[in-house]
Amino acid sequence: EAGVVQSPRYKIIEKKQPVAFWCNPISGHNTLYWYRQNLGQGPELLIRYENEEAVDDSQLPKDRFSAERLKGVDSTLKIQPAELGDSAVYLCASSLVLSGRLETQYFGPGTRLLVL
Amino acid sequence: GNSVTQMEGPVTLSEEAFLTINCTYTATGYPSLFWYVQYPGEGLQLLLKATKADDKGSNKGFEATYRKETTSFHLEKGSVQVSDSAVYFCALKDTGNTPLVFGKGTRLSVIA
Repeated sequence: EAGVVQSPRYKIIEKKQPVAFWCNPISGHNTLYWYRQNLGQGPELLIRYENEEAVDDSQLPKDRFSAERLKGVDSTLKIQPAELGDSAVYLCASSLVLSGRLETQYFGPGTRLLVL
Repeated sequence: GNSVTQMEGPVTLSEEAFLTINCTYTATGYPSLFWYVQYPGEGLQLLLKATKADDKGSNKGFEATYRKETTSFHLEKGSVQVSDSAVYFCALKDTGNTPLVFGKGTRLSVIA
C-alpha cells in the first residue's frame, strides 16, 4: 500500500514569491493534517481536515497561508507571499478517524522549503 | 497548555550500547503517548504508543512505559544498532479532538 505522497520534495524560492505544496493521503483516510517543522523542532499543526472540512485551522497564518482539500482526498497548501521565516519542512499526514478510537497518523516525507 | 520535553541531542552511542531517551509531558487531560522515529530522508513513522498509565509500548526492540506519577514516557533499547540512527520524537495526544503535540526531537547516532 502506498504511503502519504508529497511533492515537491524540495523547493527554493525568493521571498515574496508564491509557493504551493501537494499531498496525496493514504487511500481511505478521512483525516488529513498539514504540519510545519522548523529546524531543530518538532512538527506543529497548521490545519486539520475531516473529509473536505477544515476542522482546526487555528494555527494557520491566514494572511498568507491557504489550504484546500477538494473532494476530500488530495490537498494543497499555499503560501503567498513567502517570507524568510517560512523556511521549514512542511509535513502532510493522514489517518482514519473512527468514533471512540485512537487513530495513528501516517506521515509523508515532507517538502523542504528554503526562502531566500 | 500541553507540552512535551525530551532530552536534547545529539546522542552518540557505540553499537550494542544501552539507549535511554528521556521524555516528560504536561497535559490537561489524560493523554495517549507516542514515540515517532524519522530516518534520514524519510517521513515520521510511529515507533510505539501507550494509551493509559502503566501501559508499555514496544516495537523493534524499543520500549517505553507510561508513568503517570512521574509524567514520563522514556524510550529505551537494550542494544542499539547502526540502523537505529535517526531522530526520535516523543508526542502526546490529549483526549477529544486535539492535535498531536511533539517534543523537539533527539538525534541518535550509532557508530560501529
